[in-house]
Amino acid sequence: KNQVEQSPQSLIILEGKNCTLQCNYTVSPFSNLRWYKQDTGRGPVSLTIMTFSENTKSNGRYTATLDADTKQSSLHITASQLSDSASYICVVSASGGSYIPTFGRGTSLIVHP
Amino acid sequence: KAGVTQTPRYLIKTRGQQVTLSCSPISGHRSVSWYQQTPGQGLQFLFEYFSETQRNKGNFPGRFSGRQFSNSRSEMNVSTLELGDSALYLCASSLVDRNLNEQFFGPGTRLTVL
Repeated sequence: KNQVEQSPQSLIILEGKNCTLQCNYTVSPFSNLRWYKQDTGRGPVSLTIMTFSENTKSNGRYTATLDADTKQSSLHITASQLSDSASYICVVSASGGSYIPTFGRGTSLIVHP
Repeated sequence: KAGVTQTPRYLIKTRGQQVTLSCSPISGHRSVSWYQQTPGQGLQFLFEYFSETQRNKGNFPGRFSGRQFSNSRSEMNVSTLELGDSALYLCASSLVDRNLNEQFFGPGTRLTVL
């Protein structure tokens, strides 16, 4: 069964600090992995999309890494800001025609001033 | 360019009723996907439409259905509502291929079933 596990479930950090969120998956065959940011009461916003051949992708202060061998991904946030407070969701899609995405439960990040 | 819009934003229904939600994709986007988000199950894929045809379907009962019009606008319908259908329903659009292109999400429709 395809699964995506995210850790930690929640995280509290101080403004200006860095943090790393983890995503482990068992989706196979792998097509791509995406990280989304979802603010409370709003739809998710795409941060990065990575395919099998990519191991790093950056979007401003957000850097995602992918290790397809160990089936792990991380999202690193540099110099956090109050506006980074949100839920971060990892999504992995399988290849093979259906491309049904499997979602992680998300990491809730709170940035305190 | 206007983003993805969903109507209505909030909806309250009672068990047994049916509901229709609407989604207008970003201009030029031809793929529209629907998702259900609940505190218990998180985000789950419902189905995807492309050129008025359902291209993929998630693991949901037949009470959940949808369609797409020639202008790419999409509707989803839930019949015989159950309490467990209470959720945030999100619509997302992409240029052509949901799997290869970036998806843009709407703000969602919050459905409450009493």
